[in-house]
Amino acid sequence: QVQLIQSASELKKPGASVKVSCKASGYSFSRYAMNWVRQAPGQGFEWMGRITTNDGDPTYAQGFTGRFVFSLDTSVGTAYLQINNLQPEDTALYYCAREMRVSAPADYYYYMDVWGTGTPVTVSS
Amino acid sequence: QSVLTQSPSASATPGQRVTISCSGGSSNVGSHYVYWYQHLPGTAPKVLIFGPNQRPSGVPDRFSGSKSGTSASLAISGLRSEDEADYYCAAWDDSLRVWVFGGGTKVTVL
Repeated sequence: QVQLIQSASELKKPGASVKVSCKASGYSFSRYAMNWVRQAPGQGFEWMGRITTNDGDPTYAQGFTGRFVFSLDTSVGTAYLQINNLQPEDTALYYCAREMRVSAPADYYYYMDVWGTGTPVTVSS
Repeated sequence: QSVLTQSPSASATPGQRVTISCSGGSSNVGSHYVYWYQHLPGTAPKVLIFGPNQRPSGVPDRFSGSKSGTSASLAISGLRSEDEADYYCAAWDDSLRVWVFGGGTKVTVL
């Protein structure tokens, strides 16, 4: 079945970097873009952006430019989120989510249909 | 502060119906489909409603979505204990150029 397997929890010090992985299984990786979503403690979901998996073109939401980097390794069907110069406020759960595009007569839409279980990242000195 | 507004909690007894609301604006709920997700902490969020109030295979027809103007609703009929979870609405926002979410509604089965 379609699954997104995310890497294990991370504990980092401020100023360090972290790289979260999201391995796709059960479908053709390069056919669906990948989204990244953050959930800070006690907060709702926040969309960070997406990366197209056929050409690696990233789109970053406002507030997630500069220190955040989306990348791919299509040979192993895996998407990555790297966060540089970690700050305590980066402490959160990070989810990857596949983007499903639906094209129907007189209708076209897309949404996040399959999510990973999330990778907890804790930034603390 | 979430862009979409949901009441923080809802509860009902087994078998009853519970309705969760999601209020937005003209640039998100008013212009695009609203998606509903069920989330249990520690698990992957699961889509319940997508596109024009469609359900993925495997989601029971006890779950239904509706929308009027800039407000949307998720109804759960015949409530069951396994429905106890957090529910989130989401929509694309044309002005912000991002996906926006509600703050989530915790459903408790009494």
